[in-house]
Amino acid sequence: QVQLQESGPGLVKPSQTLSLTCTVSGGSISSGSYYWSWIRQPAGKGLEWIGRIYTSGSTNYNPSLKSRVTISVDTSKNQFSLKLSSVTAADTAVYYCARTYRWFDPWGQGTLVTVSS
Amino acid sequence: QSALTQPPSASGSPGQSVTISCTGTSSDVGGYNYVSWYQQHPGKAPKLMIYEVSKRPSGVPDRFSGSKSGNTASLTVSGLQAEDEADYYCSSYAGSNNPYVFGTGTKVTVL
Repeated sequence: QVQLQESGPGLVKPSQTLSLTCTVSGGSISSGSYYWSWIRQPAGKGLEWIGRIYTSGSTNYNPSLKSRVTISVDTSKNQFSLKLSSVTAADTAVYYCARTYRWFDPWGQGTLVTVSS
Repeated sequence: QSALTQPPSASGSPGQSVTISCTGTSSDVGGYNYVSWYQQHPGKAPKLMIYEVSKRPSGVPDRFSGSKSGNTASLTVSGLQAEDEADYYCSSYAGSNNPYVFGTGTKVTVL
């Protein structure tokens, strides 16, 4: 079955760009009518949808983050990526990737990104 | 777009039932039959429990059921078991421009 795994730096300095990659295994990222999303969760808080990408490259972003977010896909590597610019301490969270239709399933295990100098 | 409203906590004894509400608007919960529910144990990723309001993915016990009336969706856990103690989040599709909104989350305690 499809599995997702997030990877990237666990520590990012304020004002810099957070970069994460999600690697999809057990199936092709291009198969089926799926989007691929990034979701985050600050410690002790709820889930926040960041954005999604289709394998054609079409994207949608959460309006509250849209000015700072870029999601891209590399079908040859079966990966999609997240870039979040101008980060502050408020962007400290566990970041998840997930296969997406009108719901999210499956999810990656999540990766903690801390924004600190 | 505001988060969907869930009660912060719910509880029940083993074998009892607990129901969690998820209130949105006609632009999300009320407008689409695409409400989903997720179970999250501490330190773990969320797990899909219900999709399309009331459908269960393979492997999810039939103790978990979902429903919707107007702008409010509900998740019921029947025959509570110790392993059901977790945080639960609802989510709704909300159209192509800003497609997804999550609930505020409910902590379920098995007494």
